[in-house]
Amino acid sequence: DVKVTQSSRYLVKRTGEKVFLECVQDMDHENMFWYRQDPGLGLRLIYFSYDVKMKEKGDIPEGYSVSREKKERFSLILESASTNQTSMYLCASTSGGAYGYTFGSGTRLTVV
Amino acid sequence: KQEVTQIPAALSVPEGENLVLNCSFTDSAIYNLQWFRQDPGKGLTSLLLIQSSQREQTSGRLNASLDKSSGRSTLYIAASQPGDSATYLCAVMISGNTPLVFGKGTRLSVIA
Repeated sequence: DVKVTQSSRYLVKRTGEKVFLECVQDMDHENMFWYRQDPGLGLRLIYFSYDVKMKEKGDIPEGYSVSREKKERFSLILESASTNQTSMYLCASTSGGAYGYTFGSGTRLTVV
Repeated sequence: KQEVTQIPAALSVPEGENLVLNCSFTDSAIYNLQWFRQDPGKGLTSLLLIQSSQREQTSGRLNASLDKSSGRSTLYIAASQPGDSATYLCAVMISGNTPLVFGKGTRLSVIA
């Protein structure tokens, strides 16, 4: 069964910390995505990547960066965590437009 | 800019009822449409993927239809069960290499 694995289900970090959220897929997918989900706002796209070492900004990239050094791994980085980055973070991957997305189980991040 | 709307935001039905969830999108030039299910605090599970050339897809008690010209999709759930209680999200892809755009979901409660 294909899998997208997010390294942490729950994470609590302090304001100002640098935070790494890791996502690994075992399906050899080219395309990977990071979304955040907030009540009333739905899923919003932060960053995505169509190939190793490539990245594209989504709708809300401010305060975030990403790294894709290997095809299977896409990391989301919060350079200096703030309380307004408390959210559910969801990673997804796909092999292309003709195929559906597969999502990870999510990381619930709380910044205190 | 493509916008996806799901109405109602919440729905409560007695067990055994057949029900329809609605999704509308503003730009009919889509590449595909995907329905997801999300249980509380979890990631998204793909239910059905409809390509732009298709009119419907079926999986078990679920049937999704697509009418591109009117910018609408419906998810039909037959003989609903308490285990169907979840949030259902609709998402569209504008072209083969653009990220999914999500609606905010319909929260379904099936009462035993």
